[in-house]
Amino acid sequence: NAGVTQTPKFRVLKTGQSMTLLCAQDMNHEYMYWYRQDPGMGLRLIHYSVGEGTTAKGEVPDGYNVSRLKKQNFLLGLESAAPSQTSVYFCASSSTDRTSSYEQYFGPGTRLTVT
Amino acid sequence: RKEVEQDPGPFNVPEGATVAFNCTYSNSASQSFFWYRQDCRKEPKLLMSVYSSGNEDGRFTAQLNRASQYISLLIRDSKLSDSATYLCVVNGATDSWGKFQFGAGTQVVVTP
Repeated sequence: NAGVTQTPKFRVLKTGQSMTLLCAQDMNHEYMYWYRQDPGMGLRLIHYSVGEGTTAKGEVPDGYNVSRLKKQNFLLGLESAAPSQTSVYFCASSSTDRTSSYEQYFGPGTRLTVT
Repeated sequence: RKEVEQDPGPFNVPEGATVAFNCTYSNSASQSFFWYRQDCRKEPKLLMSVYSSGNEDGRFTAQLNRASQYISLLIRDSKLSDSATYLCVVNGATDSWGKFQFGAGTQVVVTP
């Protein structure tokens, strides 16, 4: 049981390049999330998904796209990277089961630098 | 105004001492509350949920004050391993219970 995994762990991009971050969970969770964390700002929600085939915008969605083609995977795409997207990206998942207190489980993060 | 606000600290705490800090939230309709712990450059991990009646887990005590819209975390008998950033998380602060709002975190440094 690996929990939540993210690939890659580190990446350096040049302005204008594109990339996809992959998140996978093996806990059969319905909800999945993408956050970014910047110094002094806490985690901010980029996009989230309440189930396979559905996605929704979070607090800071501009410049990102997502897809949830399979329940266990949630992909975050950067179409044209900008230096403002330099950040640590965390994926998370949570159960819809109230007995779990809606605990979110996080992946180890992806450290992205855009030059 | 941020929806969830925390004192960033750092709170410098001698080993064995007690430390407490709060988190305020702006939306009175918020439904669920949590404390997460985040070690440097690692992912956040759930420390404890916060229930209306208050709850305790070992050396950690969490309380909720709905009237004043804040939650608190108290750590007794601090250990060196308690050094971390503690994130306040509120659920249901917007239109969906599935969307969590995070505070920026309170840093705690426990010293020998």
